[in-house]
Amino acid sequence: AQSVTQPDIHITVSEGASLELRCNYSYGATPYLFWYVQSPGQGLQLLLKYFSGDTLVQGIKGFEAEFKRSQSSFNLRKPSVHWSDAAEYFCAVGPGYSSASKIIFGSGTRLSIRP
Amino acid sequence: KAGVTQTPRYLIKTRGQQVTLSCSPISGHRSVSWYQQTPGQGLQFLFEYFSETQRNKGNFPGRFSGRQFSNSRSEMNVSTLELGDSALYLCASSLEGGNGYTFGSGTRLTVV
Repeated sequence: AQSVTQPDIHITVSEGASLELRCNYSYGATPYLFWYVQSPGQGLQLLLKYFSGDTLVQGIKGFEAEFKRSQSSFNLRKPSVHWSDAAEYFCAVGPGYSSASKIIFGSGTRLSIRP
Repeated sequence: KAGVTQTPRYLIKTRGQQVTLSCSPISGHRSVSWYQQTPGQGLQFLFEYFSETQRNKGNFPGRFSGRQFSNSRSEMNVSTLELGDSALYLCASSLEGGNGYTFGSGTRLTVV
């Protein structure tokens, strides 16, 4: 079955500290992988995506993610968080071809920033 | 260029009524998808339209329907509203679909 697991429901980190949000997926074929961020009451903003090639992907706002096929993981990282990073983060997986557009989202990780 | 526009931003409806939500995709995007977001179920795929045709459908009852116009604008309709339909409805558009979507800010539907 296709699924995305974000094991951490809520994480709190201090401003300036490093961050890693975990994501594991189960998918039958080579997936397209995404990280989205959602601020309260807003839609989702794409942080980064992985299709193929270099397994370390750079995104917006200083975020990066690493694809590890052997671990079926796509963890999101940031070396130094800012108070404005407080939001909900969603990992997602898609089938990798345009005609099957259903993207499966994880349940999200809420990030709080300690001043 | 303009992003994905959803109207209205907020709606309050009574059980049994029907509602229509609108989504204008990014210019040039032909794929429009709809998602329902609730605290209990998270983000769930409703359906996707591409060039006026429904190309994919999620596991929602027939009360949920949609359509896409020739200018790629899309509407979704929910008939016979139930309390459980209260949610944030998100529209997302893409050039072709599948390789990443741009989301709108959503329509917050409250059913009372």
